[in-house]
Amino acid sequence: EAGVTQFPSHSVIEKGQTVTLRCDPISGHDNLYWYRRVMGKEIKFLLHFVKESKQDESGMPNNRFLAERTGGTYSTLKVQPAELEDSGVYFCASSQDRRDRVTGELFFGEGSRLTVL
Amino acid sequence: QQQVKQSPQSLIVQKGGISIINCAYENTAFDYFPWYQQFPGKGPALLIAIRPDVSEKKEGRFTISFNKSAKQFSLHIMDSQPGDSATYFCAAAYSGAGSYQLTFGKGTKLSVIP
Repeated sequence: EAGVTQFPSHSVIEKGQTVTLRCDPISGHDNLYWYRRVMGKEIKFLLHFVKESKQDESGMPNNRFLAERTGGTYSTLKVQPAELEDSGVYFCASSQDRRDRVTGELFFGEGSRLTVL
Repeated sequence: QQQVKQSPQSLIVQKGGISIINCAYENTAFDYFPWYQQFPGKGPALLIAIRPDVSEKKEGRFTISFNKSAKQFSLHIMDSQPGDSATYFCAAAYSGAGSYQLTFGKGTKLSVIP
């Protein structure tokens, strides 16, 4: 069974440009999360989808970040315009259903490293 | 404000030794405490987790010790092996919330030397 896949693995852009990150969760997983790790800091929650609905977007840093999950399958995270402080590794994770909230296991992708110059 | 404090930042242990990583949390509403293991170029993967109704949980060479009154928990890796070299993250969550957020520590880079 395929795990969580993320694309691209690494993106280098200039300040002011736009980048779109994509996440394909494990098939059948209704819950999809985005997290971010800035170098040297902790992994921080950005938002949570349940199917196509945003359950919690309290971690989104500002309105330059837009996340979508059309059809409840894959998700995209767009940063527009990108700033230097947006550099970091963006992780996507998925879990199957409420039962996984009890077990707590999130399945993480390998991350998309974003470098803003 | 960092809600989960993790130490040490890095750790070097000889093969066969015991690796100990400590975490402290502030939010008493947290009721789920997982540890994630991350190898270079990979995403974090769940290693072991504990709920506050028990003080210890053991899975193979990995043990979580939990002290609810002190709001601390730790990961012990017995008989550490070079293959255990990775970054370890402690985390905490409140499972009763509408959304299931993990609050992570900053991570500990473990190096096990032969």
